[in-house]
Amino acid sequence: SAVISQKPSRDICQRGTSLTIQCQVDSQVTMMFWYRQQPGQSLTLIATANQGSEATYESGFVIDKFPISRPNLTFSTLTVSNMSPEDSSIYLCSVGNSANTEAFFGQGTRLTVV
Amino acid sequence: GNSVTQMEGPVTLSEEAFLTINCTYTATGYPSLFWYVQYPGEGLQLLLKATKADDKGSNKGFEATYRKETTSFHLEKGSVQVSDSAVYFCALTSNSGYALNFGKGTSLLVTP
Repeated sequence: SAVISQKPSRDICQRGTSLTIQCQVDSQVTMMFWYRQQPGQSLTLIATANQGSEATYESGFVIDKFPISRPNLTFSTLTVSNMSPEDSSIYLCSVGNSANTEAFFGQGTRLTVV
Repeated sequence: GNSVTQMEGPVTLSEEAFLTINCTYTATGYPSLFWYVQYPGEGLQLLLKATKADDKGSNKGFEATYRKETTSFHLEKGSVQVSDSAVYFCALTSNSGYALNFGKGTSLLVTP
């Protein structure tokens, strides 16, 4: 299984600002994903981070709000832009290598917007 | 798209009680099915998985069988421990086959 490091682990941010979350994997992986887990809720897929091209966003999520980078096969960033209190969530990086197999998750970034 | 429905919590059990957490799914094709666990203050961990019909996934005393005829993947454990207190998520591969779709999670509290 891959070891996934996310930074920061938590942050408290002012509304209107932006936060970039980093995800580093200890080995090359095919797929990287970003999820959101709102308080007391399940995980919702934000987007698939594609290496060398634009991310693929799920319904309800847009690039202007959640720009994503993936410059190589071991690293990705998610930016939460122009934050509001509704963006307070845990953001999780996830990786997978093959279709129909398990995904592995980072420890998550707990974001509080005040 | 592919989705799962799992029983609402919270579930409170005494130590050594039998646990069942129900999970049913809706899918096109043949998704893989998973149970993930989130212990308090920790990240999401894979508990067990099954990749085809009639497969049984097992780990740490937990079991779940991929039942195509009932579209179910119920999680069971014969004797729960206090350390099993956590939130359990049922999940399946999405239509793309790569990302996962999760159920809402079931909180389990085991008391001594």
